[in-house]
Amino acid sequence: AQKITQTQPGMFVQEKEAVTLDCTYDTSDQSYGLFWYKQPSSGEMIFLIYQGSYDEQNATEGRYSLNFQKARKSANLVISASQLGDSAMYFCAMSDYKLSFGAGTTVTVRA
Amino acid sequence: KAGVTQTPRYLIKTRGQQVTLSCSPISGHRSVSWYQQTPGQGLQFLFEYFSETQRNKGNFPGRFSGRQFSNSRSEMNVSTLELGDSALYLCASSLVPEQGASTDTQYFGPGTRLTVL
Repeated sequence: AQKITQTQPGMFVQEKEAVTLDCTYDTSDQSYGLFWYKQPSSGEMIFLIYQGSYDEQNATEGRYSLNFQKARKSANLVISASQLGDSAMYFCAMSDYKLSFGAGTTVTVRA
Repeated sequence: KAGVTQTPRYLIKTRGQQVTLSCSPISGHRSVSWYQQTPGQGLQFLFEYFSETQRNKGNFPGRFSGRQFSNSRSEMNVSTLELGDSALYLCASSLVPEQGASTDTQYFGPGTRLTVL
């Protein structure tokens, strides 16, 4: 069984600063995918970034980067230059045939 | 390309009724998955359909069912509604996943918010 742990229920960040969201996972699979999604108050789950277990380089997508440390089983999301529109819930997820989600971290960006 | 669409966006039902939710995947996507999101249980996998067949199922009672049509559109049905079924129901589609493929990204729709009174 796969398990995702997000230990930060909520975080505040100043506009234009960077923020790191923690995610650790547990799996016995050798091949797996790690995802981050953003969920604004509207409810839609927005895909942000993906990291494959065999990818040697950390994934980046614009202002989002994933700090993947396989030996430590962690996949932290870094959001650089935070914007007010980044205020949302962020979920880390792992896939096999389905996505298993963490509990999420609420990010509030302050002006 | 249009994203995943879900209808209706909001529903209010009473206990004992049944409800049908609809999901249209991104064009070309053949797999559709359904998730339930509640404050207490978080996001939980309901089931996944591929080529009109249910391939995988989560740990939900038989009151929850679904189907997929030949155009990949999917519906889920909840019969004999209970108060605890109040939730955000999210549909996600992905391209052409192999069974158990870990690299296929799921793209979500806006969700249907169901309230059971």
